Amino acid sequence: EDQVTQSPEALRLQEGESSSLNCSYTVSGLRGLFWYRQDPGKGPEFLFTLYSAGEEKEKERLKATLTKKESFLHITAPKPEDSATYLCAVPNPEARGGSNYKLTFGKGTLLTVNP
Amino acid sequence: GAGVSQTPSNKVTEKGKYVELRCDPISGHTALYWYRQSLGQGPEFLIYFQGTGAADDSGLPNDRFFAVRPEGSVSTLKIQRTERGDSAMYLCASSLRAISYNEQFFGPGTRLTVL
Repeated sequence: EDQVTQSPEALRLQEGESSSLNCSYTVSGLRGLFWYRQDPGKGPEFLFTLYSAGEEKEKERLKATLTKKESFLHITAPKPEDSATYLCAVPNPEARGGSNYKLTFGKGTLLTVNP
Repeated sequence: GAGVSQTPSNKVTEKGKYVELRCDPISGHTALYWYRQSLGQGPEFLIYFQGTGAADDSGLPNDRFFAVRPEGSVSTLKIQRTERGDSAMYLCASSLRAISYNEQFFGPGTRLTVL
């Protein structure tokens, strides 16, 4: 049973064309939701932590939002350098002691921004 | 400051051989994690260390995989009798502590190829 589902799997945008990526989750008692960016052949780079429903975080052209069932990563006026795979992750509720060490990741959205 | 480092960046080996992958976490981070990422998938949890001890190794696929962190800093992931199915990107991450909302910071990964 997938706990984290990301959509779309791939998204191709023109430079300046705003859009949103979706991350839906099924875990109960959410203890944070994390967004990462991953460039080809590299490790994931931390972007945001969202702590509770209704929260928003911004960084340059990216804004992450969280509801009780899903998170969105909004990309405003993207540039080619925003091309990457965007991953979201939630702590696995099976983690011992209720801590957040065991992250469950979605498969990611591959974003391509054409100049 | 320095981020998480991993060596080697690439490792090519033959089926049946033994390999060691090294991870040097961010200074001061007590929690260390290993993940494995196959092409087109998100990272999958392997093992978590709090200090020197493996607090949860439930993600290790079988007994050919073993990891140590003898002094509570550098960690080594060891794979015996490698199989072609072990080919993947092996990622190491660290965090200050493994508590709720604590962000995990990833290294660049080791790409393992088993011929």
